[in-house]
Amino acid sequence: EAQVTQNPRYLITVTGKKLTVTCSQNMNHEYMSWYRQDPGLGLRQIYYSMNVEVTDKGDVPEGYKVSRKEKRNFPLILESPSPNQTSLYFCASAYRGLTATEAFFGQGTRLTVV
Amino acid sequence: SQQGEEDPQALSIQEGENATMNCSYKTSINNLQWYRQNSGRGLVHLILIRSNEREKHSGRLRVTLDTSKKSSSLLITASRAADTASYFCATDRRGQNFVFGPGTRLSVLP
Repeated sequence: EAQVTQNPRYLITVTGKKLTVTCSQNMNHEYMSWYRQDPGLGLRQIYYSMNVEVTDKGDVPEGYKVSRKEKRNFPLILESPSPNQTSLYFCASAYRGLTATEAFFGQGTRLTVV
Repeated sequence: SQQGEEDPQALSIQEGENATMNCSYKTSINNLQWYRQNSGRGLVHLILIRSNEREKHSGRLRVTLDTSKKSSSLLITASRAADTASYFCATDRRGQNFVFGPGTRLSVLP
């Protein structure tokens, strides 16, 4: 089954404790992206990747890191999480980085930083 | 800043009525897509319209695109309670792809 898998689904952590949210897709997609969703603000893009070893900042990259060492995985790293990073996070992938192809989304990761 | 802005922010209708939501964007686009999100879940693609298309249909969905006004509309006909969800438009913007607006929250009352 074609899917984008995020882990964990839920995470509560403390300020400053490094964490990684994993994202994996099995569709051989070149494009992957991370979003955060906050009430009233919709989805804001954090980082995106057009292909292996190619990453770019989205609209809200501060406090996040990503890597794209292999095509299927695109982890999101919070080196020193802060409470303002409490949010619902989504990973997405698409065949190419063009809106001519549809994006597939993971189930979401609800992160709480206390 | 967001490329697409949906309007209205929230919409409540009765089952059987039509629901119309709009998306306005700022810079020229190649394509525009509409997505649906059930509460707290991942977005699901509904329909894509290219910049050289004016209207597209898919089942009970009708999407229009007016590039001169930089706007698109999504019409859901004969709405059902199961259509209750948030709806987002997505565009590209200066090389950045899949930029989403804040969404329209649709409630269909039985």
